[in-house]
Amino acid sequence: KAGVTQTPRYLIKTRGQQVTLSCSPISGHRSVSWYQQTPGQGLQFLFEYFSETQRNKGNFPGRFSGRQFSNSRSEMNVSTLELGDSALYLCASSLEGGSFYEQYFGPGTRLTVT
Amino acid sequence: GQNIDQPTEMTATEGAIVQINCTYQTSGFNGLFWYQQHAGEAPTFLSYNVLDGLEEKGRFSSFLSRSKGYSYLLLKELQMKDSASYLCAVRDFAFGGYQKVTFGTGTKLQVIP
Repeated sequence: KAGVTQTPRYLIKTRGQQVTLSCSPISGHRSVSWYQQTPGQGLQFLFEYFSETQRNKGNFPGRFSGRQFSNSRSEMNVSTLELGDSALYLCASSLEGGSFYEQYFGPGTRLTVT
Repeated sequence: GQNIDQPTEMTATEGAIVQINCTYQTSGFNGLFWYQQHAGEAPTFLSYNVLDGLEEKGRFSSFLSRSKGYSYLLLKELQMKDSASYLCAVRDFAFGGYQKVTFGTGTKLQVIP
């Protein structure tokens, strides 16, 4: 069974630009969660999508948004990029929505904002 | 708010047992997870506790005490490949009926020969 895939793996953007990251979950998984990981703050929960609806969210500003498609693939968008948005963005998939149980993480997208 | 505390670093000897502690403070506790993360890799799920007590899974066990806001991960028969960061994460209810998960900053375990 193929694991969680994320594209692109690396990205360099300029302050003020916007970026879209993609996540394809494990086949059969309907929940996709997004996380930001930085050395200073650790792993922080952004939001979770299940059945094309945002079901749960963390404490990030509205510049961070996402969506999920009918095939469970998910995208995350960050608008008006700031230097502090430089981080590893991880997505994780699981069978059930809202439980965060037994999540499988993708390899991440490393975003650098200059 | 949410506050999760774990030791920053620990060192243990191959073949030994190590216990990694995690304390948390939350008003809407709804489950605790442990993840392992090797350097440069994504986290992998290790265990889940929602009721008090011990959950055993091979060489790994996780304990929860909800009244004390305390959990530990026990690793037995340590192997060199167990050198990694171990993340404690708490699921709780947030404002508006949402659930969220909050991760601790992780405990970096070094296993030495």
